[in-house]
Amino acid sequence: GESVGLHLPTLSVQEGDNSIINCAYSNSASDYFIWYKQESGKGPQFIIDIRSNMDKRQGQRVTVLLNKTVKHLSLQIAATQPGDSAVYFCAALLPSGSARQLTFGSGTQLTVLP
Amino acid sequence: EPEVTQTPSHQVTQMGQEVILRCVPISNHLYFYWYRQILGQKVEFLVSFYNNEISEKSEIFDDQFSVERPDGSNFTLKIRSTKLEDSAMYFCASSVHGYNEQFFGPGTRLTVL
Repeated sequence: GESVGLHLPTLSVQEGDNSIINCAYSNSASDYFIWYKQESGKGPQFIIDIRSNMDKRQGQRVTVLLNKTVKHLSLQIAATQPGDSAVYFCAALLPSGSARQLTFGSGTQLTVLP
Repeated sequence: EPEVTQTPSHQVTQMGQEVILRCVPISNHLYFYWYRQILGQKVEFLVSFYNNEISEKSEIFDDQFSVERPDGSNFTLKIRSTKLEDSAMYFCASSVHGYNEQFFGPGTRLTVL
């Protein structure tokens, strides 16, 4: 199986600063990773994904880094805005079965300070 | 933009009652999922569904749970005899393929009294 954990349950950053949220996974066979954002009372919202054959992927204001050697991935948010305040989860997929289950981490609550 | 929808948004039921949670996945998606999130805890996988059958299920998904795609648009989760510990947010998700991005619905909050 797979277990996923985030390093910090909470993170506070000043508006305009960069945020880095870290995540560790246990199974080296996991081949696909997703970062989700969850606002209060809503479902997880896709932010960015990365496959295990990559070590970096960039989106709009977000970058995901994957280090397979230490089984670690991070989400970097540039110029953090108040609207970025939410819980962020990483999730991992194992290559088994045709419709594979996501294993979620426990989430990091990001608070953006004015 | 297409989205996954779920009804109801909040369901309150008595212990031992049956509940059916409904989802309408994104129309061209082929893979469907149910997850649950107990308050303050991780999102947990329940079941995945493809080609009108269950593909994978977790140990949480016991005989009290069942899923169905009764028509071309709906995907339902039934809990036959609810327990207090079934109280949680239940999220439906769908994806085009089984190995890529899953889109989540807004969730149904189930409260078992």
